[in-house]
Order: sequence, then C-alpha cells, then structure tokens
Amino acid sequence: TQLLEQSPQFLSIQEGENLTVYCNSSSVFSSLQWYRQEPGEGPVLLVTVVTGGEVKKLKRLTFQFGDARKDSSLHITAAQPGDTGLYLCARTGNQFYFGTGTSLTVIP
Amino acid sequence: NAGVTQTPKFQVLKTGQSMTLQCAQDMNHEYMSWYRQDPGMGLRLIHYSVGAGITDQGEVPNGYNVSRSTTEDFPLRLLSAAPSQTSVYFCASSPRVTGYGYTFGSGTRLTVV
Repeated sequence: TQLLEQSPQFLSIQEGENLTVYCNSSSVFSSLQWYRQEPGEGPVLLVTVVTGGEVKKLKRLTFQFGDARKDSSLHITAAQPGDTGLYLCARTGNQFYFGTGTSLTVIP
Repeated sequence: NAGVTQTPKFQVLKTGQSMTLQCAQDMNHEYMSWYRQDPGMGLRLIHYSVGAGITDQGEVPNGYNVSRSTTEDFPLRLLSAAPSQTSVYFCASSPRVTGYGYTFGSGTRLTVV
C-alpha cells in the first residue's frame, strides 16, 4: 500500500531555476520528514515538520507542512547542480512509510 | 562514529540460495529497520525492530526473516532467494521509535539470477 504520493516523479531543470516538489496523502500525518538520496548512498535527513502550517528553511530549501497535515512541499530557490538527487518524503511513526520520490537533475 | 554499516555492498545469488545481509550500528539506537528500494516504488519497509528482542513486519515481509539479539545488530535473512528479491536493500536506525530521523546505511545491491 502506497500511502504517500510524490510529484513530479522526474524533474530536470537548468541551474538557477526554482522548483517545487509535492508530497500528498489521504490521511493525516503526525509528522513528516524530507530526505535527499544521492546515487549509491542511503537517504539523508533534511528536515522534520510537525505542526500544520509549519514552514522551515534550510538555506535555499523551504519546506511547508499543509494546514491539515496531509501534504507537504519542498521549494528550492536558484537550484544548483549539487541539489541533484532523489527527494523522498516520509511519514513517521512505528512504521516509516516513504513516498516514491522525485528525481531531480539540475543541469549546469 | 561509523554510523550504520551494511555488508556486503554487492551480492549475486542463484535462485533458491539463502543469505544474510548484515547491519550494525554503533549509536545505541533503539529502532532499526530494513527497506528495499526498487525503481518507481520508493522505499518499502520489510521488517523493523523497536528494541532488542522485538521485531515486527512491515509492508513486504514475505521471504525475509529478521532477529534482534543485540541493540547493535539487525541482520536480514533471505530464506530462498527469488528473482523478485533483486533490489537495493537499506538498513536504517533511529534513537527512538518516534521524534527522530533515520540514519541509513549505504545499501546492499542484491541480484538474484
């Protein structure tokens, strides 16, 4: 059962462009995490959001948790080649469920 | 700290063979889990453990066994490998069940022929 849907599945943009990726669920999250995974490595935690409406910033990355705690977005400003990777959202709890991911390629 | 260590990094098995994927963490984390990652499927939870001596099934447990005799180690056993088990396997740990993020190992790429 896939509880988390991420969109888009693939994204290829030029360096300097802005982008937003989305994570949606039909059920409420207690909290949600975003991870980035580079080829050949395990995912690395970027942020945890807990409160509906919460916004967190990590340098050029802005994470937002929906008011109803059913969705989240990740916005990257002025993307750089180092942002290339697979971005995964995860629903936390006894069993962490991950979304299918958004594969981002930033072209120099 | 070594973090989460997975061995081997690569493995090729023949159908029907058994093997154990090793996972060890040196952070005294209570929570450990195993995922498989397949193209277009994201990470799917196989088994997890909330502490030594306690394990439970995730989304896709069939064909896999786990045990947690110590806090540090959480091996994953493939009983009789099938081509459908070709995947990249990740072990992850967290200090507690909730409230913390995962630390992942670097993965084991398994091919079953």
